Amino acid sequence: DSGVTQTPKHLITATGQRVTLRCSPRSGDLSVYWYQQSLDQGLQFLIHYYNGEERAKGNILERFSAQQFPDLHSELNLSSLELGDSALYFCASSVEAGFIQETQYFGPGTRLLVL
Amino acid sequence: GQQVMQIPQYQHVQEGEDFTTYCNSSTTLSNIQWYKQRPGGHPVFLIQLVKSGEVKKQKRLTFQFGEAKKNSSLHITATQTTDVGTYFCAGGGSNYKLTFGKGTLLTVNP
Repeated sequence: DSGVTQTPKHLITATGQRVTLRCSPRSGDLSVYWYQQSLDQGLQFLIHYYNGEERAKGNILERFSAQQFPDLHSELNLSSLELGDSALYFCASSVEAGFIQETQYFGPGTRLLVL
Repeated sequence: GQQVMQIPQYQHVQEGEDFTTYCNSSTTLSNIQWYKQRPGGHPVFLIQLVKSGEVKKQKRLTFQFGEAKKNSSLHITATQTTDVGTYFCAGGGSNYKLTFGKGTLLTVNP
């Protein structure tokens, strides 16, 4: 158990819908990262938040957005869902966000299926 | 942007054989991390390498970081069935993000 929690574990929805994935980082960690893992693309970095502020963006679609709240939990919002958005979404956390990347602790993931 | 290539994509070995996965970056890295993901699980941090030419060992696992800090390798000696999983390298650049390779799926035949 990494100490990172993600809810829900599984999510089944239809195309065009909107969903929210939630992540609680390890106690004391200020950084939260979101990743998308699909069979053909591997682990794709989406976005990084540090202490409530966006720190870095990766391959995140405009239909996707995220935020980190004052209590440091984070939510990833996926809207206008398409079949291709079906994937495993991981959240990871680390203590800080220095120039030498720190160890990231991954949560168990949310498996999203868009029908 | 930064790209991290990892080979091979798949590797099947007999238990007791050695295994190596290689990671190459298009740019010089500040550091490299290695993760293991068991089937149905989440990535778990194994190790971080920071210095040019660095070599670190964890029991049967040996990790190397190239002199130019653009490549890395993970070598497992005498594989066991517990080594099964996908091994990812992740390279750190001058920004705040890690770029993951696509991983090497290792299967071990007992």
